Amino acid sequence: GENVEQHPSTLSVQEGDSAVIKCTYSDSASNYFPWYKQELGKGPQLIIDIRSNVGEKKDQRIAVTLNKTAKHFSLHITETQPEDSAVYFCAASSTGGADGLTFGKGTHLIIQP
Amino acid sequence: GAGVSQSPSNKVTEKGKDVELRCDPISGHTALYWYRQSLGQGLEFLIYFQGNSAPDKSGLPSDRFSAERTGGSVSTLTIQRTQQEDSAVYLCASSPLGGTYEQYFGPGTRLTVT
Repeated sequence: GENVEQHPSTLSVQEGDSAVIKCTYSDSASNYFPWYKQELGKGPQLIIDIRSNVGEKKDQRIAVTLNKTAKHFSLHITETQPEDSAVYFCAASSTGGADGLTFGKGTHLIIQP
Repeated sequence: GAGVSQSPSNKVTEKGKDVELRCDPISGHTALYWYRQSLGQGLEFLIYFQGNSAPDKSGLPSDRFSAERTGGSVSTLTIQRTQQEDSAVYLCASSPLGGTYEQYFGPGTRLTVT
């Protein structure tokens, strides 16, 4: 089955700086890669996703890149703000979705004022 | 519009009791997923429904776990004879069509087995 590795487990950046979280996956059949933000006591919130037919996708301060050859994808957050502090999860899924999403272990992002 | 809702938000039960967790998906979403999130861990996929059917139940941790979905809408996850290791947050997600479509999560049910 699919295995998703996520790094770092904790990331502390100064407000206004950029943050990058990286994930690798093992199953070459995976073709859908969402990112979720989870705040304390809440369910994960989908913030951006990318499918395997594109290499990059951007939504305001958030961007995701995908390298299918290397089987890795990354989340980039620019101009970080205090409200970006949360745990971020990457995930991967193959066509059909019957196996659900396979998640990384999460990155605790801390924005320092 | 209304998102995914789950009830109860918190459940404390004694070891050996049965519990039932409920998920109301976003209206019109045909796919529904259950996940488990243990303290300090990532999210573990449990089961997937497309309509009322679950093609594969092998993700359920043990035969004490069962799930059903009726009318293509509400789903219940039942845990029989609860054990302390069942303590976790149980999350439900729904998707318009399943597959590689977006999954939207509910707030979860925090289950504590004492």
